[in-house]
Amino acid sequence: DAGVIQSPRHEVTEMGQEVTLRCKPISGHNSLFWYRQTMMRGLELLIYFNNNVPIDDSGMPEDRFSAKMPNASFSTLKIQPSEPRDSAVYFCASSSASWESLYFGPGTRLLVL
Amino acid sequence: DQQVKQNSPSLSVQEGRISILNCDYTNSMFDYFLWYKKYPAEGPTFLISISSIKDKNEDGRFTVFLNKSAKHLSLHIVPSQPGDSAVYFCAASAGGGNKLTFGTGTQLKVEL
Repeated sequence: DAGVIQSPRHEVTEMGQEVTLRCKPISGHNSLFWYRQTMMRGLELLIYFNNNVPIDDSGMPEDRFSAKMPNASFSTLKIQPSEPRDSAVYFCASSSASWESLYFGPGTRLLVL
Repeated sequence: DQQVKQNSPSLSVQEGRISILNCDYTNSMFDYFLWYKKYPAEGPTFLISISSIKDKNEDGRFTVFLNKSAKHLSLHIVPSQPGDSAVYFCAASAGGGNKLTFGTGTQLKVEL
């Protein structure tokens, strides 16, 4: 299994631009999570899906952030418009039945200038 | 409001000695705790876990201790090896729920 796949690995954009991050979870996993890592706050949960349905998006910072999971093998996290304070590493993770089976992707390092 | 706190951003230990990483939590509903390890340019990976019904769980060189009254847990690595150099995240969940709350991480450096 290739693990959780994220693209792009690095993204540099200018303030005001739209950014789309992509994630392919591990096949057979029914939960998908989007996390953001910053020095000050560590790993923050932004949103998670169960069986493609958004369950809790209380961690999404603002209306500028949106996430979709159109099918079991694909999810996107979109930021529109992007701001410099959105600069962080964004991780996608998927799991099956337990936290021990939570697998993270390699992350997307986002820099908004 | 940081419900899981790792107050030491970094720790340096000599090879062969014990590494002790600490974690404190504020939410009394947390009943399951995990440690994840993260290397540069990679995502975190699961290391070890403990349920609130236990006070200790051991897996090879790694042992996690839980003190519920103090809302404190620690990860012991004995003996420490250079390959253990990584960022370690403490995480907690409540009531079997789907939310895992992470701390800010501790950068461990094991020196030769």
